[in-house]
Amino acid sequence: QKEVEQDPGPLSVPEGAIVSLNCTYSNSAFQYFMWYRQYSRKGPELLMYTYSSGNKEDGRFTAQVDKSSKYISLFIRDSQPSDSATYLCALGAGSYQLTFGKGTKLSVIP
Amino acid sequence: EPEVTQTPSHQVTQMGQEVILRCVPISNHLYFYWYRQILGQKVEFLVSFYNNEISEKSEIFDDQFSVERPDGSNFTLKIRSTKLEDSAMYFCAMTGKKLFFGSGTQLSVL
Repeated sequence: QKEVEQDPGPLSVPEGAIVSLNCTYSNSAFQYFMWYRQYSRKGPELLMYTYSSGNKEDGRFTAQVDKSSKYISLFIRDSQPSDSATYLCALGAGSYQLTFGKGTKLSVIP
Repeated sequence: EPEVTQTPSHQVTQMGQEVILRCVPISNHLYFYWYRQILGQKVEFLVSFYNNEISEKSEIFDDQFSVERPDGSNFTLKIRSTKLEDSAMYFCAMTGKKLFFGSGTQLSVL
C-alpha cells in the first residue's frame, strides 16, 4: 500500500470553477500537511501548511485535513488560468523529510 | 519566502562521471535538504543536513552521493559516478518556518 495516494488527473475546469484536490494517506504518524504548486520544470512552491484537523483558509485557497479518515483536500475558489499547474500534497512525520503525492495536473480553461 | 538559488539549471554528463550540484541560500538557514524528481514521478527525499552533518537520509542516498557545505554558504550534492537512472530534477530545499524549494537542476546522464 502506497503511503500517499493522489489522483494524477489531469483535471480540466472552466475559469471561475471551484477546484477540489485530494490525497489519502496510510501512515498515522504524519503530522504536517502541505500543498505545493509546481509549474513545469520548476521547483515546488508552498501554498498551504497545516498540522491539525480542520480547515485553513488563505485567500482563494482552503486546506482541509481529516486525520480520522486520513484524507486531505485543497479547494481553490474562483479558479484562474494562472492556477494551471501541478498540485502536490506533501506530508511530514516530525521532520521535513516529506512524502509527496504524485501530483494532480490542473488546467483552468478561460 | 526565502530565495534558494541552484546552479547549474541544467547539467548534462556522461555515465560514470562525477557531478556537483550547488545550492546558494540567500538568508542564513541551518537546515538543508536535497530532493529529486524523476520525470513523471513523485518528488522524493534524498537527505537532510544540519549543522554540517547529515541528519537523515533515504535509501536512495547511497555511497554514490555525498553532501557538504564547503564554504559555510554553498550547499552541494555530489554524485560520484553517475548512472542513467540518476537523470532527474534535483531540488535543494531549506527551512525558515516551512520548507522552501529552489528552482532545481535538471541532470541528464547520457
